[in-house]
Amino acid sequence: EVQLVQSGAEVKKPGESLKISCKASGYTFTTYWIAWVRQLPGKGLEWMGIFYPGDSDTRYSPSFQGQVTISADNSINTAYLQWSSLKASDTALYYCARALYYDTSPLDYWGQGTLVTVSS
Amino acid sequence: QTVVTQEPSFSVSPGGTVTLTCGLSSGSVSTSYYPSWYQQTPGQAPRPLIHNTNTRSSGVPDRFSGSILGNKAALTITGAQADDESDYYCVLYMGSGISVFGGGTKLTVL
Repeated sequence: EVQLVQSGAEVKKPGESLKISCKASGYTFTTYWIAWVRQLPGKGLEWMGIFYPGDSDTRYSPSFQGQVTISADNSINTAYLQWSSLKASDTALYYCARALYYDTSPLDYWGQGTLVTVSS
Repeated sequence: QTVVTQEPSFSVSPGGTVTLTCGLSSGSVSTSYYPSWYQQTPGQAPRPLIHNTNTRSSGVPDRFSGSILGNKAALTITGAQADDESDYYCVLYMGSGISVFGGGTKLTVL
């Protein structure tokens, strides 16, 4: 059974760093792209970027380029989304999801979401 | 930056048919944007409905269909049911590995 299990909720202060995770199981991790999607409180979904564990190919939405870093550790089938300096505006629910291809395939399995709260 | 547009809200009667659309702030949507659609209910992760314009995801009933209507992508729900009341998001592929979500449509069934 395919599963994406995300790390738990985080409460951080502005300026702090953070790395959240998405552990995959039930499929060959290196053969699917992992996307990250943001959902601001009460708002819609935003496509942040996508990462291919097979060769570390990474594509960022222009809105998120330079703001976050997407990576993975293939030895433990886990993808990451990280910030070096959080802002209050990063407060949101973050989802990971997988896709076979970044264009024609759907995000067919999703994690449960990680709530990140940034507040002084 | 190109914005993907959706109706903010829509309502449909039980048993009725509704078509939600997905457009571009500049230009027309074609199959080359590989439009896809997701359904999200409160507190849940999104669920894929349609990809590559009109391909239904596994387990999605055939009363959900996708198409291109004029210059927009469209999601049509035929025979709407109470549990179709959700937020619906389209996604368009912009090239270079980048996709963009629309703002979402809140569908009410009443």
